[in-house]
Amino acid sequence: EVQLVESGGGLVKPGGSLRLSCAASGFTFSSYSMNWVRQAPGKGLEWVSSISSSSSYIYYADSVKGRFTISRDNAKNSLYLQMNSLRAEDTAVYYCARADSSGWYRPSGSYSSPFDYWGQGTLVTVSS
Amino acid sequence: AIRMTQSPSSFSASTGDRVTITCRASQGISSYLAWYQQKPGKAPKLLIYAASTLQSGVPSRFSGSGSGTDFTLTISCLQSEDFATYYCQQYYSYPFTFGQGTRLEIK
Repeated sequence: EVQLVESGGGLVKPGGSLRLSCAASGFTFSSYSMNWVRQAPGKGLEWVSSISSSSSYIYYADSVKGRFTISRDNAKNSLYLQMNSLRAEDTAVYYCARADSSGWYRPSGSYSSPFDYWGQGTLVTVSS
Repeated sequence: AIRMTQSPSSFSASTGDRVTITCRASQGISSYLAWYQQKPGKAPKLLIYAASTLQSGVPSRFSGSGSGTDFTLTISCLQSEDFATYYCQQYYSYPFTFGQGTRLEIK
């Protein structure tokens, strides 16, 4: 059974940092691209970042570029999101999500696909 | 970034109804569109990908259509468990973008 379990959320002051983790099990983690998606309280879904299976391709939303860093450790079946210079507008539930195998490869070699498995989410609250 | 616009934003329906939700992309995305269902306090669930392909385990009352810029999600006979919020998402290009959501409520 595929499982994604996020951790690391909590209350942090504006300007602070937080590192989220996502522990994966039930599938060959090293074969899949992974993503972070967030949802502010009462709002819709916002894609945050993607990382390819071997970390060769990494993408960020403009809203987090330069502040957040996505990474993965295939040996530990784990995905991470380092969040620095946090702002009130970063307050959200953060989900990790697996990119499924139905996607497509661009001529550049990067891969895009929908998200077939999601974790339960971890809440990040940025407030003084 | 490609803007995804859903309509309606919310509406009420009854069990047994046939409902259609529309999603429009600000530029062509071929068929690289997914639909998700989200219930309160839960993670989103993938329903449809490639605009019209049903994800494994999803009931056949759900269907999707469209390509280019205009897409629809249809639920042929609403069941009580279908009352939720639905999102479309394009995965044609980065940054991936979601529609604002359509909240389906019980009439």
